[in-house]
Amino acid sequence: GESVGLHLPTLSVQEGDNSIINCAYSNSASDYFIWYKQESGKGPQFIIDIRSNMDKRQGQRVTVLLNKTVKHLSLQIAATQPGDSAVYFCAENSGGSNYKLTFGKGTLLTVNP
Amino acid sequence: GAGVSQSPSNKVTEKGKDVELRCDPISGHTALYWYRQSLGQGLEFLIYFQGNSAPDKSGLPSDRFSAERTGGSVSTLTIQRTQQEDSAVYLCASSLAVNIQYFGAGTRLSVL
Repeated sequence: GESVGLHLPTLSVQEGDNSIINCAYSNSASDYFIWYKQESGKGPQFIIDIRSNMDKRQGQRVTVLLNKTVKHLSLQIAATQPGDSAVYFCAENSGGSNYKLTFGKGTLLTVNP
Repeated sequence: GAGVSQSPSNKVTEKGKDVELRCDPISGHTALYWYRQSLGQGLEFLIYFQGNSAPDKSGLPSDRFSAERTGGSVSTLTIQRTQQEDSAVYLCASSLAVNIQYFGAGTRLSVL
């Protein structure tokens, strides 16, 4: 979801549970999407990407789902670990030769041991 | 280097002073980006360089902000006459032909 002011959406899960982080994007012309993870004091780190000709892509413990009909993107993290605690950003690109990404506000994931 | 390098990691300055922030992108990456991240916020696009093309400056918040990229590699973001609202983390990223941007750790700017 979207954040208002200084308050990020937050998700708190128990270690070992699965996490689902959601993102609504705005541009129906976007054809490329990325999820980034940002730990405290660090720059965003690439997790997984997906192109608009796909609706699902899997990585190691992570899955990204894309629903173009409702312009919705989700990141699923299996067997969440304390090291997964971070802010997660989705980003979209409108395609073509423009490499610019538009970032969402982010979701804070807290994993409780 | 192995990744995007930014310096300094922290910068404290007085209101009204000019600051320069440096970014060393991943070798061979043709695209370089600057973002600003305020506390608890997402990434605000500032400027984008792609090869020898004219930079996309559409995100620069005022004419106090400028950036250069010399020789298609190192970039410097300059903020003139800094204001307290300029306090933020300034992130640099670079990418190759694909869209994955690789980020540096950022420069935390504090304007007193």
